[in-house]
Amino acid sequence: NAGVTQTPKFQVLKTGQSMTLQCAQDMNHEYMSWYRQDPGMGLRLIHYSVGAGITDQGEVPNGYNVSRSTTEDFPLRLLSAAPSQTSVYFCASSYRQGGTEAFFGQGTRLTVV
Amino acid sequence: AQSVTQLDSQVPVFEEAPVELRCNYSSSVSVYLFWYVQYPNQGLQLLLKYLSGSTLVKGINGFEAEFNKSQTSFHLRKPSVHISDTAEYFCAVYFGNEKLTFGTGTRLTIIP
Repeated sequence: NAGVTQTPKFQVLKTGQSMTLQCAQDMNHEYMSWYRQDPGMGLRLIHYSVGAGITDQGEVPNGYNVSRSTTEDFPLRLLSAAPSQTSVYFCASSYRQGGTEAFFGQGTRLTVV
Repeated sequence: AQSVTQLDSQVPVFEEAPVELRCNYSSSVSVYLFWYVQYPNQGLQLLLKYLSGSTLVKGINGFEAEFNKSQTSFHLRKPSVHISDTAEYFCAVYFGNEKLTFGTGTRLTIIP
């Protein structure tokens, strides 16, 4: 039972480079989301999706792009990496939004130099 | 704006002592409330949740939390902590807008 799988676990980027953080879940969950975790700031929502083909912005969407072509996958794209995007990124999924448990991946630690 | 406040960023507690981690939220509308735990270098996992019914909810690892609607609070408690409880604890609230809002977290350190 894999749950939510994120790749890669660690990544170092140069300023201006682009990359995609992968997220996949095998629980047939409709709702998926991306958060970034920074010291003293908790988890802040970047983008979320309530189902395949539907995405929306969260609290801190600038510099990130998402798409949801399948129920299972929800990749996060950094268009042109900046040092301010150095963070730990978590993908989460839940059966639906609201009162159901969110399942989190193990995180991707990204450093932009 | 809807917000979740965890006033204590760090809480040191002696082993086998009780602990309370505080969480307050800003809205008077109906909410769903959660506590998540993050062990070092891991993702978050659910400790407990309040959706409706009894205001005292019990979770995993001996933790419990009490929902207080008048004070808009959802404090987490454990009567006797262990070294293995060392982790960061996050309060999260669903305000009914398709988004789960997290507090800034409380780092619990257990002193042997």
